[in-house]
Amino acid sequence: DAKTTQPPSMDCAEGRAANLPCNHSTISGNEYVYWYRQIHSQGPQYIIHGLKNNETNEMASLIITEDRKSSTLILPHATLRDTAVYYCIVRAFTSGTYKYIFGTGTRLKVLA
Amino acid sequence: EAQVTQNPRYLITVTGKKLTVTCSQNMNHEYMSWYRQDPGLGLRQIYYSMNVEVTDKGDVPEGYKVSRKEKRNFPLILESPSPNQTSLYFCASSLMTGNTEAFFGQGTRLTVV
Repeated sequence: DAKTTQPPSMDCAEGRAANLPCNHSTISGNEYVYWYRQIHSQGPQYIIHGLKNNETNEMASLIITEDRKSSTLILPHATLRDTAVYYCIVRAFTSGTYKYIFGTGTRLKVLA
Repeated sequence: EAQVTQNPRYLITVTGKKLTVTCSQNMNHEYMSWYRQDPGLGLRQIYYSMNVEVTDKGDVPEGYKVSRKEKRNFPLILESPSPNQTSLYFCASSLMTGNTEAFFGQGTRLTVV
């Protein structure tokens, strides 16, 4: 199963872009990269996902390297409400079903 | 509103007293799963279900049971809870295709004393 590696914590100034890196060097060709975040102990919230191409939505942008071994989540203008734990996840198809493989995430603190 | 609803949100119980945590989704999703979250360990999958009457073990199934009699409901059953099952539990649902996101419930914080 593909696993992800993320820095345990990061700080970002309010209003600046937050760039959260993720390594997934063992990812397979048909496995998607997903990003979720968890604020306090609430349920994880979906942010964005991608396979090969860069993706953008109203919350964030996802940049995936050409070899797909790493990706970066970009929050373009971080606010205090973006303080959360961010999970980079590979959604693997294994044993006939899809499975999210969670790592321990990056704790992002947005500073005023 | 699309949502996954868990109940109860908080529960304190005693060792050995059977309990059920309910999970319901209103999105007609085939896939549902249960996770537990413990400090330093992230989210670990307990059980999952690909459709009605189809369930299978995840990574940490010991001490838990599930059932999937209806598409919308996926209860988690602890027949004889023990203190090592004290944890934060999340239910999630999604479509079965590979290109869609999962929706998570708000969590159930369980304490077994």
